[in-house]
Amino acid sequence: GESVGLHLPTLSVQEGDNSIINCAYSNSASDYFIWYKQESGKGPQFIIDIRSNMDKRQGQRVTVLLNKTVKHLSLQIAATQPGDSAVYFCAEAHNMLTFGGGTRLMVKP
Amino acid sequence: GAVVSQHPSWVICKSGTSVKIECRSLDFQATTMFWYRQFPKQSLMLMATSNEGSKATYEQGVEKDKFLINHASLTLSTLTVTSAHPEDSSFYICSASPDIEQFFGPGTRLTVL
Repeated sequence: GESVGLHLPTLSVQEGDNSIINCAYSNSASDYFIWYKQESGKGPQFIIDIRSNMDKRQGQRVTVLLNKTVKHLSLQIAATQPGDSAVYFCAEAHNMLTFGGGTRLMVKP
Repeated sequence: GAVVSQHPSWVICKSGTSVKIECRSLDFQATTMFWYRQFPKQSLMLMATSNEGSKATYEQGVEKDKFLINHASLTLSTLTVTSAHPEDSSFYICSASPDIEQFFGPGTRLTVL
């Protein structure tokens, strides 16, 4: 949803550490979930997706975990790099795509 | 594949000017296109959904006469901000969807003086 008037939460990690970004979704009927990365001044970029018939999916350095029982989604980034610094949004889809509020990831060198 | 372009990428205009933003899917046909607005450090806010050849569906609180959307073809949608004012200054992002996944454009920064 929309976070009007609120600043994005920030996760600060050391370069090389693993990052975990969490997201709670609202619609139990949602059957498709996506993580996006947005760098400053740019549009969102697709990172990884997962369907509701799965609970884990791995990509290159990224893993998405889905817990439908508690309506929770997480994005794990292994060996975080400075280039991973961005805002990360989760999105849930049923008939339409609804975005979460976003988390800012800051990577310290 | 799945590239979406927006033009212009940045526009600065005087108050009262109407500004048109184009969104194109370059290598696929988009049955649905979406327009979002984003304020600094905030999430994307869906403004409207448009299907080719039909009127756009606007979200609650979005003025349809202020933000005119035309989805004339399966590869092009336009957003016109009519009589723009400083409060319309924002980052406008479109996305195009051939099915359920959305592919985003790079965004257009609008600054109204």
